[in-house]
Amino acid sequence: AQTVTQSQPEMSVQEAETVTLSCTYDTSESDYYLFWYKQPPSRQMILVIRQEAYKQQNATENRFSVNFQKAAKSFSLKISDSQLGDAAMYFCAYSEPPFSGNTPLVFGKGTRLSVIA
Amino acid sequence: DTAVSQTPKYLVTQMGNDKSIKCEQNLGHDTMYWYKQDSKKFLKIMFSYNNKELIINETVPNRFSPKSPDKAHLNLHINSLELGDSAVYFCASSHGVLGLAGDSETQYFGPGTRLLVL
Repeated sequence: AQTVTQSQPEMSVQEAETVTLSCTYDTSESDYYLFWYKQPPSRQMILVIRQEAYKQQNATENRFSVNFQKAAKSFSLKISDSQLGDAAMYFCAYSEPPFSGNTPLVFGKGTRLSVIA
Repeated sequence: DTAVSQTPKYLVTQMGNDKSIKCEQNLGHDTMYWYKQDSKKFLKIMFSYNNKELIINETVPNRFSPKSPDKAHLNLHINSLELGDSAVYFCASSHGVLGLAGDSETQYFGPGTRLLVL
């Protein structure tokens, strides 16, 4: 079964600095998707970024970027110019085709990020 | 416009009661899910539906019964509530259609329902 591991239960970063959250996963599939979701205190699950395994180029979304290392099964999230609003739980998640309900998201245990003013 | 909505957002009830949580999505998605987030924040799939058909039913007590009256709705009914059912329950949806250009694989979540069983 696929597993997702986030080895950092908690991280902190100074405002305006850069932080990297780690995620590793285990799968025997070659085609899959990886996601980072953010859960602020409001508890809403917000998609931050997604990566398709067959794309070599790392995904970026504004201040958020990933370092996807397929061979190492590593998918880290880099947050640049950290802002107070980035403080949240961050979940790494995995999914694979087909996406018709057979393959739900498998989540890591999350990393709680604090941003220090 | 709310993409995935859940009602209620908070639910406090006594052990032994029966309660329902409703979920609706206006994204035109074919697939809907229920996830449970426990007190340690761990998220785990409970059920998934595709076009009103049950696809996944994880090892969830049969006191939990999902119902999908149409593609846009997936409700969760819980009988004989127990203390251990206290958690946050999330509904999510995705296109779930193979070959659909774009975003078939991404799941969008509702705001969650915090259930507290006393």
